[in-house]
Amino acid sequence: DAGVTQSPTHLIKTRGQQVTLRCSPKSGHDTVSWYQQALGQGPQFIFQYYEEEERQRGNFPDRFSGHQFPNYSSELNVNALLLGDSALYLCASSFTPTNEKLFFGSGTQLSVL
Amino acid sequence: QKEVEQDPGPLSVPEGAIVSLNCTYSNSAFQYFMWYRQYSRKGPELLMYTYSSGNKEDGRFTAQVDKSSKYISLFIRDSQPSDSATYLCAMTGSNFGNEKLTFGTGTRLTIIP
Repeated sequence: DAGVTQSPTHLIKTRGQQVTLRCSPKSGHDTVSWYQQALGQGPQFIFQYYEEEERQRGNFPDRFSGHQFPNYSSELNVNALLLGDSALYLCASSFTPTNEKLFFGSGTQLSVL
Repeated sequence: QKEVEQDPGPLSVPEGAIVSLNCTYSNSAFQYFMWYRQYSRKGPELLMYTYSSGNKEDGRFTAQVDKSSKYISLFIRDSQPSDSATYLCAMTGSNFGNEKLTFGTGTRLTIIP
């Protein structure tokens, strides 16, 4: 049983560019959350998707947007990249938003130069 | 002041020792409390999940929550080298157990054989 898979694993961009990160949830899961983890910090909640809609959002600017597809996979888009966007981006999935078991992928390491 | 405070360590203990990890928080709305383990270059993995005050035990792991003091702990008995990782506390005030988690910065733990 494949867990949460994220692609790509590493990405290098320059300031001002746009990036799209992808996530496939664990089999049977329908809820996807995205987190940003800066070096030496804990993950910070970006947003959560369920039934193809954004349910909850953390304190991130509108440059961060997302999408969930009918097969429950999800994308995170970041526009107008800043140096401070360099971080590990983690996708997590669960069986409904109410289930306490959150499964994380290994993340996408984004470097903005 | 951060909503969740966690000593970043690093913490080194000999194999077989009892490990105590702690977090304090300021938001009295938090009602679900979690501990995650994160190995290098991996996503966090859920270890313990508790609701409200009290103790919960799972094998060598015991989680304690004291809501009156806004203090949570994770104890690891008979520590093993495989327990070497970063331990993150997380919590949420959401009515749903895995929404919008707020994480601590993580404590890096090394178990010395």
